[in-house]
Amino acid sequence: AQKVTQAQTEISVVEKEDVTLDCVYETRDTTYYLFWYKQPPSGELVFLIRRNSFDEQNEISGRYSWNFQKSTSSFNFTITASQVVDSAVYFCALSKFTGGGNKLTFGTGTQLKVEL
Amino acid sequence: DTAVSQTPKYLVTQMGNDKSIKCEQNLGHDTMYWYKQDSKKFLKIMFSYNNKELIINETVPNRFSPKSPDKAHLNLHINSLELGDSAVYFCASSLSGTGKNIQYFGAGTRLSVL
Repeated sequence: AQKVTQAQTEISVVEKEDVTLDCVYETRDTTYYLFWYKQPPSGELVFLIRRNSFDEQNEISGRYSWNFQKSTSSFNFTITASQVVDSAVYFCALSKFTGGGNKLTFGTGTQLKVEL
Repeated sequence: DTAVSQTPKYLVTQMGNDKSIKCEQNLGHDTMYWYKQDSKKFLKIMFSYNNKELIINETVPNRFSPKSPDKAHLNLHINSLELGDSAVYFCASSLSGTGKNIQYFGAGTRLSVL
């Protein structure tokens, strides 16, 4: 069975601080995908990134960066110089690698509050 | 142009009623999904259809019946609504096949059962 743990329920930071959201996963599969989604206060779910399990290269996109470590089963997400617009619930998710229609197994989410 | 659109956005109804939520995607995807987000924001898969065929059905009460008239549409019908059905329901779509499975979500339908 697949499982995703986001131990941080809520994080509050002051604007311009860096913040890291933790994600730890469990799976018996040797290949799989990991995802991050953002849910702003307006409620929609916005795709941020997908990473496959055999690509451990870290990724940076603007102020966002992701650190994937297979050895510790972690896929952490860092926001540099946070902004108020980053306030949202962030979900980490896991899916199987092969086949179609693979379900996403989500973590419980981390509520990020960025204050002025 | 909304990629995955759900209607209605809000649905308030009485216990025991039957209601439907519609979902349409214009991304050319062949796989569609329904997820339920509960009051604690936990997201869980309910159903998945690939080319109109049901491929995932996760221990959902049979009061919930998905219908896919074509691969661009996936509707969710709920019979005899109960208080515990109150939640946000998200539709999503993706391509099938290895390397193509990014799921894009609709804006959600907030269902309140009174």
